[in-house]
Amino acid sequence: DVKVTQSSRYLVKRTGEKVFLECVQDMDHENMFWYRQDPGLGLRLIYFSYDVKMKEKGDIPEGYSVSREKKERFSLILESASTNQTSMYLCASKGQYEKLFFGSGTQLSVL
Amino acid sequence: AQSVTQPDIHITVSEGASLELRCNYSYGATPYLFWYVQSPGQGLQLLLKYFSGDTLVQGIKGFEAEFKRSQSSFNLRKPSVHWSDAAEYFCAVGAGDKLIFGTGTRLQVFP
Repeated sequence: DVKVTQSSRYLVKRTGEKVFLECVQDMDHENMFWYRQDPGLGLRLIYFSYDVKMKEKGDIPEGYSVSREKKERFSLILESASTNQTSMYLCASKGQYEKLFFGSGTQLSVL
Repeated sequence: AQSVTQPDIHITVSEGASLELRCNYSYGATPYLFWYVQSPGQGLQLLLKYFSGDTLVQGIKGFEAEFKRSQSSFNLRKPSVHWSDAAEYFCAVGAGDKLIFGTGTRLQVFP
């Protein structure tokens, strides 16, 4: 089975800190995604990547950047964390037939 | 612009009752449509998908969904709900390289 692993389940950071959220998949998928999930808003796409070193902005990229140096790893970076970035962050990779495989999520709290 | 609407934020049913979760989409071309389920503390899991062909698709856990082009709908159904079906359900439409999600419907099941 495909495994998408997010490095932290819970994370607490302070305003202004630089935050790295890591995601690793083990199925050689080309496409990877970062979503944030907020109550009443569903999942909103932050960034996605369709190949190493390639990235595309999603619907809400402001305040975020990404890095894809290796095919299996897709990192989300909060350059200067703010309280409105407190959220659940979900990473996914896309396999055959457009199927997304999700990690368990990282609940980030910015204080 | 592509979008997905799930008009029901929260639905409560009794165990053994039938279930229908509504989903409407807006997409210019023939859509790829998906239903995902998220159990508490988990990532999302694919229930079923529609690409083409038979408009009634079967998924895992006894769920099915029907694509109705004339109504731009892709409603999820289950004839008899189990307590373990309590979760949040997301409808999504494939738009190029990415998936656009609805805001979700939380299902509560009473014994």
